[in-house]
Amino acid sequence: SAVISQKPSRDICQRGTSLTIQCQVDSQVTMMFWYRQQPGQSLTLIATANQGSEATYESGFVIDKFPISRPNLTFSTLTVSNMSPEDSSIYLCSVDGGTGPTDTQYFGPGTRLTVL
Amino acid sequence: QKEVEQNSGPLSVPEGAIASLNCTYSDRGSQSFFWYRQYSGKSPELIMSIYSNGDKEDGRFTAQLNKASQYVSLLIRDSQPSDSATYLCAVWWEYGNKLVFGAGTILRVKS
Repeated sequence: SAVISQKPSRDICQRGTSLTIQCQVDSQVTMMFWYRQQPGQSLTLIATANQGSEATYESGFVIDKFPISRPNLTFSTLTVSNMSPEDSSIYLCSVDGGTGPTDTQYFGPGTRLTVL
Repeated sequence: QKEVEQNSGPLSVPEGAIASLNCTYSDRGSQSFFWYRQYSGKSPELIMSIYSNGDKEDGRFTAQLNKASQYVSLLIRDSQPSDSATYLCAVWWEYGNKLVFGAGTILRVKS
């Protein structure tokens, strides 16, 4: 499976600021996904990022709040904009199986965000 | 929205026992099913995928699928304290082109 890295691994931010999270994978993949996981909760899909097209957002998530870039087949960014304490969460990037099954997903290590 | 249901637990089993984790799903057309293990403070790790009815074995893990009953299970034989984690069931929803996750079952293996 692909090796996935995320930066930063954790951050503490002030209310009203923005943070950009990077996701890098060591091989080309078709689909990249961004999830949020709040303490003690399961995974919530924020959006799907495909190279060369606009990200597809899930209900309850909007582009102005969570802009996403996908400039190539190995990299994506998620920005959390105008942050509030409610945005404190773990943000996870995942990728599809690359040359393997596209319905299989592998997760990066996550970014732990705390908003004060 | 398609649903995936799991008992949140915790499920407690003694070391060496078989742990049985269950999952039901709502989309009758689903074809791809996955189990992820998530240790506290870590990201989910894929441990099993299953696509056909019946059993699929990988080491101490066996995934079982019954599409007619819309039921997926994960058996862990000879459970070890290191198996203590949250186990997430996920179902690929083809129409939505995404994985739908259950809430996860907390497993505790007591030595």
